Amino acid sequence: NAGVMQNPRHLVRRRGQEARLRCSPMKGHSHVYWYRQLPEEGLKFMVYLQKENIIDESGMPKERFSAEFPKEGPSILRIQQVVRGDSAAYFCASSIQGTDTQYFGPGTRLTVL
Amino acid sequence: LAKTTQPISMDSYEGQEVNITCSHNNIATNDYITWYQQFPSQGPRFIIQGYKTKVTNEVASLFIPADRKSSTLSLPRVSLSDTAVYYCLVGDLITGGGNKLTFGTGTQLKVEL
Repeated sequence: NAGVMQNPRHLVRRRGQEARLRCSPMKGHSHVYWYRQLPEEGLKFMVYLQKENIIDESGMPKERFSAEFPKEGPSILRIQQVVRGDSAAYFCASSIQGTDTQYFGPGTRLTVL
Repeated sequence: LAKTTQPISMDSYEGQEVNITCSHNNIATNDYITWYQQFPSQGPRFIIQGYKTKVTNEVASLFIPADRKSSTLSLPRVSLSDTAVYYCLVGDLITGGGNKLTFGTGTQLKVEL
């Protein structure tokens, strides 16, 4: 069984560019979560999605960040006009139901120059 | 969301049993206790989950006293490869409110020869 897949694993962007992070959940999982981890800190919840629906985006910055989980294809976390403070590891997790254990992907490390 | 408190770091030697205790004084009736392990540059890996008393799997045991205000992750006979950060989380897995996992700074376990 393939686990949660994330790509790219490393992403370098210059200030002002856009970053697109992709997450493919485990087979049979229809719930996706995005977390951000700054160096030496724990993961911080950003957004929770089901297919075609955003369930909880209370952890998402109000501007420049958006997420989607279309009917077909991976979930996308999009960061527009990146700034140096966006440099972090972004992890995606998936679960079968919203009440089930979350399984994490390997993360995407975003570096903003 | 119940807040958790755990030691910042622990040291051990190969072959020893390691017990990491987590305090969660304001745990709610619907909250489950979940432990994750994270290696550098990787996503958190699910270890074990429980509600009360004792849970054991092939990797670890989880002890939860009757008042559920704390829990102890027990790793039998650790090896160098168990060196990692261990996170204790509590969340509502019955009604779904626990899908917004809250990670603290975790416990850095260092295992030496």
